[in-house]
Amino acid sequence: DGGITQSPKYLFRKEGQNVTLSCEQNLNHDAMYWYRQDPGQGLRLIYYSQIVNDFQKGDIAEGYSVSREKKESFPLTVTSAQKNPTAFYLCASSIAGSGVYGYTFGSGTRLTVV
Amino acid sequence: AQKVTQAQTEISVVEKEDVTLDCVYETRDTTYYLFWYKQPPSGELVFLIRRNSFDEQNEISGRYSWNFQKSTSSFNFTITASQVVDSAVYFCALSENFGNQFYFGTGTSLTVIP
Repeated sequence: DGGITQSPKYLFRKEGQNVTLSCEQNLNHDAMYWYRQDPGQGLRLIYYSQIVNDFQKGDIAEGYSVSREKKESFPLTVTSAQKNPTAFYLCASSIAGSGVYGYTFGSGTRLTVV
Repeated sequence: AQKVTQAQTEISVVEKEDVTLDCVYETRDTTYYLFWYKQPPSGELVFLIRRNSFDEQNEISGRYSWNFQKSTSSFNFTITASQVVDSAVYFCALSENFGNQFYFGTGTSLTVIP
């Protein structure tokens, strides 16, 4: 079945460490997105990519980095520069960089700084 | 300005009651798309419905129904005879500018009490 796979489901990070969250899709979607979810704040866009080797900053990109070397993969690195990284991270994809048909979401990664 | 407003942060109902989740949107586009997503405790956002701006017909799917009113810029979601499995966070979303911009509301957390 086609879908989006995020791993790991839970991730613990020590302060000062970089961590990378994986997102893989087999839907042949062109566009991929990373969202951060905090309680009561809905979804906030971190980065998005509409084609391979290209990506754009979203509303809260500071302290994060991404790459898009393959169409299927859009990993997110949470760097030590991100001061409050504890959150739930959701990856999504869509057809041809368009939200017309809506997004398909992964099951998320819950990151906790210890 | 908030493009999508979900004024109800939390709602609790007793099982079998009907409940309506409100969604008000703001856009200057004449062509746009509205969505509802369900986020159960597992975390993944599940697509429920997509409606384009030219189709104001109300839609019913089992116990779910949606009322789209352009005159009031609202796209409300009603669950009839609620069940415990309906407990989740529900997000309303707007896609405009031919899908190049996608906006989520802050979500409504619904708890159905048995």
